[in-house]
Amino acid sequence: DVKVTQSSRYLVKRTGEKVFLECVQDMDHENMFWYRQDPGLGLRLIYFSYDVKMKEKGDIPEGYSVSREKKERFSLILESASTNQTSMYLCASSFSGTGATNTGELFFGEGSRLTVL
Amino acid sequence: GESVGLHLPTLSVQEGDNSIINCAYSNSASDYFIWYKQESGKGPQFIIDIRSNMDKRQGQRVTVLLNKTVKHLSLQIAATQPGDSAVYFCAENIRVENNDMRFGAGTRLTVKP
Repeated sequence: DVKVTQSSRYLVKRTGEKVFLECVQDMDHENMFWYRQDPGLGLRLIYFSYDVKMKEKGDIPEGYSVSREKKERFSLILESASTNQTSMYLCASSFSGTGATNTGELFFGEGSRLTVL
Repeated sequence: GESVGLHLPTLSVQEGDNSIINCAYSNSASDYFIWYKQESGKGPQFIIDIRSNMDKRQGQRVTVLLNKTVKHLSLQIAATQPGDSAVYFCAENIRVENNDMRFGAGTRLTVKP
């Protein structure tokens, strides 16, 4: 089974702190994604990466950065956490494209619930 | 996907009834769509997908219908069970080569025993 592991299920941080959210996948997927999930707004894409050291902004990149030094690991960084970044953060991975051998399915981790006080 | 503000649409059904969950998508060029199920405390899980060259696809107890004319997706669940209680999201693939998916706001399905 594909496994996407997020390092922390629950975090509580203070305004201004630097926050690292780590994500590791074990299926050799090319693509990795960070979403945030807020009630009534669904999942909104923060950043994604389609290769090592490559990254692209999603819909809401402001206040976030990412790092992908190895294929299996994708980190989300909040340089200076703010209260409006309190949310559930979901990491996902997938193969590239939707060819005959893959469904295009995103495989999600269990989520990291971040509270910024 | 559609945004409905801060309130999650809800659907409550009796166990054994059929459920229909609807979704409007935004990009007429999207050519691939997925329904995900998210149970409490877990990440979303794939249920079923459909490509834009199809208008219907069936899985085990689930059927997805695609109406490209009005940019509408629906998920039908037959004989709904308590284990089907979850939030359901539709997602459209706006850039196929990178699996760049955009998600709707979700619908909470509650199954009453």
